[in-house]
Amino acid sequence: KAGVTQTPRYLIKTRGQQVTLSCSPISGHRSVSWYQQTPGQGLQFLFEYFSETQRNKGNFPGRFSGRQFSNSRSEMNVSTLELGDSALYLCASSLGGTGTDTQYFGPGTRLTVL
Amino acid sequence: AQSVTQLGSHVSVSEGALVLLRCNYSSSVPPYLFWYVQYPNQGLQLLLKYTSAATLVKGINGFEAEFKKSETSFHLTKPSAHMSDAAEYFCAVSDPTYQKVTFGIGTKLQVIP
Repeated sequence: KAGVTQTPRYLIKTRGQQVTLSCSPISGHRSVSWYQQTPGQGLQFLFEYFSETQRNKGNFPGRFSGRQFSNSRSEMNVSTLELGDSALYLCASSLGGTGTDTQYFGPGTRLTVL
Repeated sequence: AQSVTQLGSHVSVSEGALVLLRCNYSSSVPPYLFWYVQYPNQGLQLLLKYTSAATLVKGINGFEAEFKKSETSFHLTKPSAHMSDAAEYFCAVSDPTYQKVTFGIGTKLQVIP
């Protein structure tokens, strides 16, 4: 089975721009979660989607949004980029989205905001 | 609310020595607990997980962790460190009902030859 894929792997943007990141989960997985990883803050939960519905959301401003498609692929959008948005964005998928499910992580998208 | 505290952001051990990475959790419900490992420029990989079965959980690469409710701990151990164990390790706690996982800040393990 193919693993979780994320595109692009690297992005460089300037302040004020917007960006869209893509995540393709493992085939058959219906839950997709997004995390922001920075050296000082570790992994911060952004949101989780299950069957095209956002079920959980972390404490991030409204500039961060996402969606999930019927094939479980997910996109994350960040509008009006700020320098502090520079981070590794990780996507993780799981089968049923319950607390016991193992999350499988993609390699991440490294976003640099100049 | 749930939270995880990892004691020691950096740990150094000699090759062949015991690895002990500490994790304490806080959860208002019986928790599910995980340890993940991250190698440079890669995503996270599950090492092991506790889901209320046996309190001693064995994982991949010779790692194991013991769930101690009285101490609210879930420390990760490996009897003998290998150079390939050098990586960053994350402890995480999950709500049992749905997928909302809270990660610790991470511990970078350095293995000295």
